[in-house]
Amino acid sequence: TQLLEQSPQFLSIQEGENLTVYCNSSSVFSSLQWYRQEPGEGPVLLVTVVTGGEVKKLKRLTFQFGDARKDSSLHITAAQTGDTGLYLCAGARYGQNFVFGPGTRLSVLP
Amino acid sequence: EAQVTQNPRYLITVTGKKLTVTCSQNMNHEYMSWYRQDPGLGLRQIYYSMNVEVTDKGDVPEGYKVSRKEKRNFPLILESPSPNQTSLYFCASTPGSVGWTEAFFGQGTRLTVV
Repeated sequence: TQLLEQSPQFLSIQEGENLTVYCNSSSVFSSLQWYRQEPGEGPVLLVTVVTGGEVKKLKRLTFQFGDARKDSSLHITAAQTGDTGLYLCAGARYGQNFVFGPGTRLSVLP
Repeated sequence: EAQVTQNPRYLITVTGKKLTVTCSQNMNHEYMSWYRQDPGLGLRQIYYSMNVEVTDKGDVPEGYKVSRKEKRNFPLILESPSPNQTSLYFCASTPGSVGWTEAFFGQGTRLTVV
């Protein structure tokens, strides 16, 4: 059983479309991070959210941390082919190491 | 350039033949860890180290060993590899308390055990 679930598992869209991916858990996290991983590379941090209800924007990417600190979402506006990759969420539990979700594999088609 | 370097990038070995995957970071980070990445399971932590000579088990430590004799190096050792250890391995380092700071990952080592 995964501590963090991500949905959808796979997503294929056309360039210019909007999309949202989700990261859910029954556990409470002290902070949550989103990473993007491209083929042949290690994950790279996109954002860290630490406050329940927090919204952060990074150009076309909008990240939200749920009020109860159990879930998060990543919204991409006007997707580009360069957004293609594996999106991973990682939650830090109080006093423990952070854990990763299984990821959402996004493919943006030209 | 700040980086985490893993070697080798690719490795094919036979069951039972001891191997070591090296990891080195040049950022003076205290915390280092090893993960394995398998389809549908995400990244699972194998071992971590909070400082020199301090190591601890992660979520999937069976069949692995690590050492932290120097701050910059954190090798992963498979004493007797088995086919179920075929996976993509990542080393990561962070400056301090995890979850609040960015984890820097190496480029990965794809291991195949036949």
